[in-house]
Amino acid sequence: EVQLVESGGGVVRPGGSLRLSCAASGFAFDRYGMSWVRQVPGKGLEWVSAINWHGGSTGYADSVKGRFTISRDDAKSSLYLLMNSLRAEDTALYYCARGNNGWYNDYWGQGTLVTVSS
Amino acid sequence: IQLTQSPSSLSASVGDRVTITCRASQGINSYLGWYQQKPGKAPNLLIYAASTLQSGVPSRFSGSGSGTEFTLTISSLQPEDFATYYCQQFNSYPHTFGPGTKVDVK
Repeated sequence: EVQLVESGGGVVRPGGSLRLSCAASGFAFDRYGMSWVRQVPGKGLEWVSAINWHGGSTGYADSVKGRFTISRDDAKSSLYLLMNSLRAEDTALYYCARGNNGWYNDYWGQGTLVTVSS
Repeated sequence: IQLTQSPSSLSASVGDRVTITCRASQGINSYLGWYQQKPGKAPNLLIYAASTLQSGVPSRFSGSGSGTEFTLTISSLQPEDFATYYCQQFNSYPHTFGPGTKVDVK
């Protein structure tokens, strides 16, 4: 059974940093691209970042470019999102998702909540 | 690439045929997916590559289109289909989502 479990969310002050993790199981992690998607409760989905299957290609939303870094550790079947210079507008539920048949996100975790507040 | 969806919301009854449109600001070939999301849950992939039904998704869902205009159709709305629907493009970074279409009970 495919499982994605996010962790690392919490409350952080503006300007602070957090590292989110996504532990994957039930599939060959090193063969899939992975993405982070966020959602402010009650609002729409916002794509944040993606990394391809071997980590050689990454992409970022303009709103996080230069502040967030996506990475993966295939030996640990884990995806990460390092978030620096956090702003109030980064407050959201952060999902990790598996990309299949290209980038289509066929499995999602349940999300980890990030709150940026003073 | 910007995605717009219409309508932003609609009210429908069980058994209705429902169509949602997603338009891209520039051509994205067929690199479009559709998701369903229910409150408190993660999104669920319904359609990928514009028209391919994801495994396990009921056949009442279908997708069509290419280039800049795409549609998601629910042929006969069921009680479990009341939800919000999003399109997402994968032609190029950033992999933007549409703003969503909420389908509620008439």
